[in-house]
Amino acid sequence: DAGVIQSPRHEVTEMGQEVTLRCKPISGHDYLFWYRQTMMRGLELLIYFNNNVPIDDSGMPEDRFSAKMPNASFSTLKIQPSEPRDSAVYFCASSPRTSGTDTQYFGPGTRLTVL
Amino acid sequence: SQQGEEDPQALSIQEGENATMNCSYKTSINNLQWYRQNSGRGLVHLILIRSNEREKHSGRLRVTLDTSKKSSSLLITASRAADTASYFCATGKGGGNKLTFGTGTQLKVEL
Repeated sequence: DAGVIQSPRHEVTEMGQEVTLRCKPISGHDYLFWYRQTMMRGLELLIYFNNNVPIDDSGMPEDRFSAKMPNASFSTLKIQPSEPRDSAVYFCASSPRTSGTDTQYFGPGTRLTVL
Repeated sequence: SQQGEEDPQALSIQEGENATMNCSYKTSINNLQWYRQNSGRGLVHLILIRSNEREKHSGRLRVTLDTSKKSSSLLITASRAADTASYFCATGKGGGNKLTFGTGTQLKVEL
C-alpha cells in the first residue's frame, strides 16, 4: 500500500486566496483525521471522519475552514479566505477501525505558507 | 487541548547512550502510543501499550505505563544518530476514536 497520500506537498499563496488541501487515506481505513502543526501550538486535531461522516469538528478554528469527505478514498480541507496565521503543516491521517487501538497512519503533510 | 505532556521538551545525548522520555496524561485511557516525527515528515507509529499492560518492548524501545500515576516512559537503548527526531505520546480511548497527542520531546543524538 502507498500509505496516506497528501497533495500538494507545499503550497504558497497570498492572503485572501482559497486553499484546498487533499488527502487519500489508506484503502480500507474507516477513520480520517486532519491535523495542523505549528511551533507555537504543536499538533492540533482539526476534524475527523468515520465512514465519510464528520464526527468531531470542534478543532476547526473558524468558519474559514471546512472539510469534506465525499467518498472513502478522498478528503479535502479548504481554507477560504486564507490568512498568514494559517501558515502551518497540515497532516492527514487514517486509522482502521478493526484495529480497535486507534493507531493512526500519517501522510507526509502539506506545508502551507500564506503571505 | 493537549492531554499528554512530555518531559523533557528537549534532550541531547551521545550516540550509544540511552534516552528516556516521559509522558503524563490526565484522563482514563484504553491505550497509550508513542510516535516519532523526523524533521519535515509525518508522524510514524512506534509502539502501543494497553491500559492493562505495564511494560512492552520492541527492538531497542521499551515502554512502561503506570496508570495509577497516569504516566508513561519511553526508553531508547543504545541510541543512534538516526534516532534524532521528535517523539510524541498519544492517548486513546479505544474503538477507533481520536488520539490526544502530547507536546513532544525533541531528541538529538550526537556522534
